[in-house]
Amino acid sequence: DVKVTQSSRYLVKRTGEKVFLECVQDMDHENMFWYRQDPGLGLRLIYFSYDVKMKEKGDIPEGYSVSREKKERFSLILESASTNQTSMYLCASSLAGSSNQPQHFGDGTRLSIL
Amino acid sequence: AQSVAQPEDQVNVAEGNPLTVKCTYSVSGNPYLFWYVQYPNRGLQFLLKYITGDNLVKGSYGFEAEFNKSQTSFHLKKPSALVSDSALYFCAVRDAVTGGGNKLTFGTGTQLKVEL
Repeated sequence: DVKVTQSSRYLVKRTGEKVFLECVQDMDHENMFWYRQDPGLGLRLIYFSYDVKMKEKGDIPEGYSVSREKKERFSLILESASTNQTSMYLCASSLAGSSNQPQHFGDGTRLSIL
Repeated sequence: AQSVAQPEDQVNVAEGNPLTVKCTYSVSGNPYLFWYVQYPNRGLQFLLKYITGDNLVKGSYGFEAEFNKSQTSFHLKKPSALVSDSALYFCAVRDAVTGGGNKLTFGTGTQLKVEL
């Protein structure tokens, strides 16, 4: 079974802090994704990565950056946290190649910015 | 551009009754369609997918979904609902002809509540 692990389930940070959210997958997947989930808005893609050191902007990249130095790890960085970034953050991974592969999700990090 | 709509924020059904959670989509090419379920304080779990072939797709936990190209719909169904099916359900779509990366577009989710 694919396992996607997010380092923190709950996180509380202050406005202006630099925040790191970590995600690790154990199935050698090429693709990795970061989403935020907000009530009534569903999942919105922040960034994704096809391969090590590769990244692509999603639908809402403003205020975020990512890092993928190793294939199994994909980090989301909030450069200067703001209260409107309070949300549930979900990481996912999938196989490359065929685009019909499902994404596998971690359990999420609920981030509160005070 | 690709998009997906889930017209119902919440669906209520009695245990033992059939359930339907609705999804419609829009893509420029052929669609790849997915259903996911989310239990409280958990990530999304994959239920089933439609790629091609038979319009009726069977998935996990007794769920199935029917692809209807003319109505651009992919409704999730189960013949007999269980209280344990109560969760948040997401439909997602990907255009088969767009570039790589397996980028999915998700609906806003439908909360399913199954009552005794």
